[in-house]
Amino acid sequence: AIQMTQSPSSLSASVGDRVTITCRASQGIRNDLGWYQQKPGKAPKLLIYAASSLQSGVPSRFSGSGSGTDFTLTISSLQPEDFATYYCLQDYNLYTFGQGTKLEIK
Amino acid sequence: EVQLLESGGGLVQPGGSLRLSCAASGFTFSSYAMSWVRQAPGKGLEWVSAISGSGGSTYYADSVKGRFTISRDNSKNTLYLQMNSLRAEDTAVYYCAKDRVGYCSSTSCYGEFDYWGQGTLVTVSS
Repeated sequence: AIQMTQSPSSLSASVGDRVTITCRASQGIRNDLGWYQQKPGKAPKLLIYAASSLQSGVPSRFSGSGSGTDFTLTISSLQPEDFATYYCLQDYNLYTFGQGTKLEIK
Repeated sequence: EVQLLESGGGLVQPGGSLRLSCAASGFTFSSYAMSWVRQAPGKGLEWVSAISGSGGSTYYADSVKGRFTISRDNSKNTLYLQMNSLRAEDTAVYYCAKDRVGYCSSTSCYGEFDYWGQGTLVTVSS
């Protein structure tokens, strides 16, 4: 099974900061990776699909990059509503989520 | 508007069974693979099972293989998860989720989950 290693597990940042979260796959997964945002008590929301494509309705401050084994999610200028937990998901061979990154207010 | 509505969660004893349902609307249900994803209290997301659009192919995480069965009724636009031999570690919120691209091979489905239900809580405890 493909393992996804996500880092950091938690992150403190301020409104307006630029933030980067990374995911590393245990083997090459082309660009078969998505990024999700989850707020407490809510279902996850798809932000990025195919590693770098912005899901409809998602603000352009979110971006994704990478291919093969290394991927990043970048939030260019944090907004108050962005404080949440973020997950990557590989769909190259079945599905595996990263462990999550909790983004907290500094 | 795509909507997914889970039901069937509740409290069950270890070794017991439960069947979850997910009613779908707002898209051509039979054209898309569907999955169940769970989240234990305070923990991360775990993919559980997937089924192709036709229902002819099914896929399971090792943690539930042989105990859970996924199925669908395309005439009713409904997805199911039959859970048998339940364990305490199966306690979680269970979400149904729609695949973005709807394509499956003999070994896997492909495409991220673009729509999710609100989740239903399953608690396994004596």
